[in-house]
Amino acid sequence: DTGVSQNPRHKITKRGQNVTFRCDPISEHNRLYWYRQTLGQGPEFLTYFQNEAQLEKSRLLSDRFSAERPKGSFSTLEIQRTEQGDSAMYLCASSLGTYNSPLHFGNGTRLTVT
Amino acid sequence: GQQLNQSPQSMFIQEGEDVSMNCTSSSIFNTWLWYKQEPGEGPVLLIALYKAGELTSNGRLTAQFGITRKDSFLNISASIPSDVGIYFCAVPNAGNMLTFGGGTRLMVKP
Repeated sequence: DTGVSQNPRHKITKRGQNVTFRCDPISEHNRLYWYRQTLGQGPEFLTYFQNEAQLEKSRLLSDRFSAERPKGSFSTLEIQRTEQGDSAMYLCASSLGTYNSPLHFGNGTRLTVT
Repeated sequence: GQQLNQSPQSMFIQEGEDVSMNCTSSSIFNTWLWYKQEPGEGPVLLIALYKAGELTSNGRLTAQFGITRKDSFLNISASIPSDVGIYFCAVPNAGNMLTFGGGTRLMVKP
């Protein structure tokens, strides 16, 4: 399978714990995006990378959230001191860097904070 | 910020019926996208529209880029059970970051 891969698929954690998610994009894609989706809503943009550079961060990305893409390939999204409001589906997408190149989404990591 | 309003929020139809949904905004866009999301999966791009007035088909799906550039429409003809899912409109901004609508949930009764 050469699509966008996300791990884990599901994560249940207790409030206050730290969690880390991983995204492996399509290999030739230099752009990588993180989105968050809550139940009944459309995905909301969090941040994106062009190669290893993080170029944009949404106001939704609080100080407890950090994303990295150290070698311009896979990316990690870490949430520190999780809160119940962090419960959501976290989606990763990748694309070529050309204008209007389509985003290809992974199947997401569903986070439940108890 | 940008806000996309999708209508209807949900539809429950009989297999074989045609479906129409739309997406509107107070802002003008140069690109409109339609995605489908099935349970437990990420959104998948169905149709991309790049020009006002453009009508584009993908099998039984047809989407139109509104003349005013503030809206878009998606039609599904002769619906089948596998059409079930949530349909999202989306628009890109600089950096190709997408803003999504709230979605139209489609349910099809066999």
